[in-house]
Amino acid sequence: QLQLQESGPGMVKPSETLSLSCNVSGGSVSRSGYYWAWIRQPPGKGLDWIGSIYSSGSLYYSPSLESRVAISVDTAKSQVSLTLTSVTAADTAVYYCARQGFQHEMDVWGKGTTVTVSS
Amino acid sequence: QSVMTQPPSVSGTPGQRVTISCSGSSSNVENNYVYWYQQLPGRAPKLLITRNNQRPSGVPDRFSGSKSGTSASLAISGLRSEDDGDYSCASWDDSLTGYVFGTGTTVTVL
Repeated sequence: QLQLQESGPGMVKPSETLSLSCNVSGGSVSRSGYYWAWIRQPPGKGLDWIGSIYSSGSLYYSPSLESRVAISVDTAKSQVSLTLTSVTAADTAVYYCARQGFQHEMDVWGKGTTVTVSS
Repeated sequence: QSVMTQPPSVSGTPGQRVTISCSGSSSNVENNYVYWYQQLPGRAPKLLITRNNQRPSGVPDRFSGSKSGTSASLAISGLRSEDDGDYSCASWDDSLTGYVFGTGTTVTVL
């Protein structure tokens, strides 16, 4: 059974870089036909798609975050990573990783990791 | 801000039927699949409806999805207390070349 587990620093200072990892177990991170997505949810707000990486390496980023975000896959570690630069308080959120099918359904989600941006 | 609009809240009594609307556009809802996600309090989202109206394995048939033109709907029949939570529609957007979530709807069972 595929399981996803996000991990990260918990707190980041304004203007610094946020780095998160999503550990994939019970399945292959390089399996053809799937994307790996990052989604975030600010406190009390709705879901916000950050970006997705396809098994072939193709990348899709939210236009509003494209200049600050990078997503990558490490097949050796079975991990999907997210990097977000120049963070502000507006980046405070619960960050989720999810498996995204070829038709874009997000059928497996991690439990999420909370990130607070504060000095 | 989201390009897919939902009502902020809907409510009903146990056993009732409630519907949640999702208003989009030709670049998302009309020409791509719509998905619905359920998020119970303190939990991660869960795929509730896939490809407009298909229920993943394990999802009760009380939940149903439909789509017409640029709008989609989620119906919950036989409302139960455990249905309390947030529900979001989502779709791929061809203009943005990205995934978009609806604004989200809180369902309250009175």
